[in-house]
Amino acid sequence: SQELEQSPQSLIVQEGKNLTINCTSSKTLYGLYWYKQKYGEGLIFLMMLQKGGEEKSHEKITAKLDEKKQQSSLHITASQPSHAGIYLCGADGTGNQFYFGTGTSLTVIP
Amino acid sequence: KAGVTQTPRYLIKTRGQQVTLSCSPISGHRSVSWYQQTPGQGLQFLFEYFSETQRNKGNFPGRFSGRQFSNSRSEMNVSTLELGDSALYLCASSMDYRWGVDTEAFFGQGTRLTVV
Repeated sequence: SQELEQSPQSLIVQEGKNLTINCTSSKTLYGLYWYKQKYGEGLIFLMMLQKGGEEKSHEKITAKLDEKKQQSSLHITASQPSHAGIYLCGADGTGNQFYFGTGTSLTVIP
Repeated sequence: KAGVTQTPRYLIKTRGQQVTLSCSPISGHRSVSWYQQTPGQGLQFLFEYFSETQRNKGNFPGRFSGRQFSNSRSEMNVSTLELGDSALYLCASSMDYRWGVDTEAFFGQGTRLTVV
């Protein structure tokens, strides 16, 4: 089965600092999704990457899928308290199932 | 347009009972997927329904079942509840039956189930 490992598991940063979250797959990725979850709530879609080398940005969040399509990174520039939450990567896997990463908990200190 | 609606938001059940959770997808969406989220196992795929048919199923015991109605609303049922079934259950709706590269899924707020 597909495995998605995220690092770091948790992150505490000072407001204004930049940070990066990584998502590494055990298999080739054919579509990689990033979601944000506020504690105990539903997931909010951030962005989707399809092609190796593809990079997308939305406001202060940039995500990239590497050329070999087995790793993605999510970068937040000048973090704000509103960025706090759990970030999850997700991807299609074998058996038409969808797999989520292990999650990264982000805390932004004002 | 209205988002994905899950009811109830919170539920407390006793071990051995059964429970039914409901998910109303975004209007026009025909696929509904269910997920279980626990601190220990993270977010895990339960099953996916498209046009009233179960298309995919995760690695969960037969106590977990679901169905989808003609209006695309879906219900998930867990019988003979165990303490380990305590979790946040999330559903997601999408246009297509498969989370393809052009298919975005929208999540509900979840149902928090506590089994005591």
